[in-house]
Amino acid sequence: QVQLQESGPGLVKASQTLSLTCTVSGGSISSGGYYWSWIRQHPGKGLEWIGYIYNSGSTYYNPSLKSRVTISEDTSKNQFSLKLNSVTAADTAVYYCARDRGPSWFDPWGQGTLVTVSS
Amino acid sequence: QSVLTQPPSASGTPGQRVTISCSGSTSNIGSNAVNWYQQLPGTAPKLLIYTNNQRPSGVPDRFSGSKSGTSASLAISGLQSEDEADYSCATWDDRLNGVVFGGGTKLTVL
Repeated sequence: QVQLQESGPGLVKASQTLSLTCTVSGGSISSGGYYWSWIRQHPGKGLEWIGYIYNSGSTYYNPSLKSRVTISEDTSKNQFSLKLNSVTAADTAVYYCARDRGPSWFDPWGQGTLVTVSS
Repeated sequence: QSVLTQPPSASGTPGQRVTISCSGSTSNIGSNAVNWYQQLPGTAPKLLIYTNNQRPSGVPDRFSGSKSGTSASLAISGLQSEDEADYSCATWDDRLNGVVFGGGTKLTVL
């Protein structure tokens, strides 16, 4: 059974880079057919797709975040990561990683991690 | 403002049937499959319905999904107190070139 777990700092200063890692267990991120995704949820709001990595390193990002987002993978550690640069208070959210069977078929999800951007 | 439109709230009494709508356009729901997620308070979303009307194993058959044109619906029959949660729809948008979500519907069991 595949499980995902997010990790990373819970507090980031404005203008700096948010960095999170998703560790996958019970399955390999190198196995084909899946899109390893990041999604966020602003406090009290709906879900927002950030992007995904697939096919051994190909990436696809939400156009509204594309200029600030990088998703990468480390297959040796069975992890994939999110970097979001030049953060502002508007980037304060719970960040989830999830496996997407494509498209928008997210299962399973990590438990989520709250990232707060401070001034 | 979400690309997919859901009512912010819905409610029902135990045993009732409730439906939650998800309205989109030809570039999203009209062209792609819809998936539904249940988010219990303080937890991560969980896949509830995939490809418009398919239930993952373990999801009770009280939950059903449908799609017609540019709208989709989630129906919950035999409402139970443990169904109190937020429900969100999602699909791909061909015009925006990305995954889009509804704003979520908070279901209250009275």
